Amino acid sequence: DIVMTQSPDSLAVSLGERATINCKSSQSVLYSPNNKNYLAWYRQKPGQPPKLLIYWASTRESGVPDRFSASGSGTDFTLTISSLQAEDVAVYYCQQYYGVPFTFGPGTKVDIK
Amino acid sequence: EVQLLESGGGLVQPGGSLRLSCAASGFTFSNYAMSWVRQAPGKGLEWVSSISGSDGSTYYAESVKGRFTISRDNSKNTLFGQMHGLRAEDTAIYYCAKCSGANYYSNFDYWGPGTLVTVSS
Repeated sequence: DIVMTQSPDSLAVSLGERATINCKSSQSVLYSPNNKNYLAWYRQKPGQPPKLLIYWASTRESGVPDRFSASGSGTDFTLTISSLQAEDVAVYYCQQYYGVPFTFGPGTKVDIK
Repeated sequence: EVQLLESGGGLVQPGGSLRLSCAASGFTFSNYAMSWVRQAPGKGLEWVSSISGSDGSTYYAESVKGRFTISRDNSKNTLFGQMHGLRAEDTAIYYCAKCSGANYYSNFDYWGPGTLVTVSS
């Protein structure tokens, strides 16, 4: 199984400041034939289902604000919120869809400082 | 607008059975793989099972293999999850999730609100 880890477990950021979340996979999720990283990011607000933010490691889902960006390849990935808004208080998960079982990171809780 | 609505959750005794349903609308159901993802109370997300949109092939997490059967009725735009031999550790919110492609090697682009399954005597 591909094990996903995230850091930090939680972070508190002032409104308007940058938040950065890291995600690491135990093996590469880069599929060489199409040069795509099978890595997604989700945001889950309290009491709600997860919402897709980013797929293919760096492609923003339609309708997702451009303050969300992501990068990385192979085994190391990053999600950045450039200017934290109140509605961004949530738990953020990375997920690999390269191999079965599809696995999620443990989540990073983002709060307002 | 894509909509997914789960039903069928509830309180069940250990060893019992439950059938989850997910009614889908707003997209061509048969063209997309579908999945079940669960979340135990206060815990993270766990993929449970996926079914392709094309040939109906299925995959299961080891934790539910042999006890969970995923299926779909493309004529009724409905996804199912038949659970038996339920255990306390199966207690979770079960989410229906649409995959972004026909095969399950794709991200989950839409999620339902979830249905709570509680296994307890």
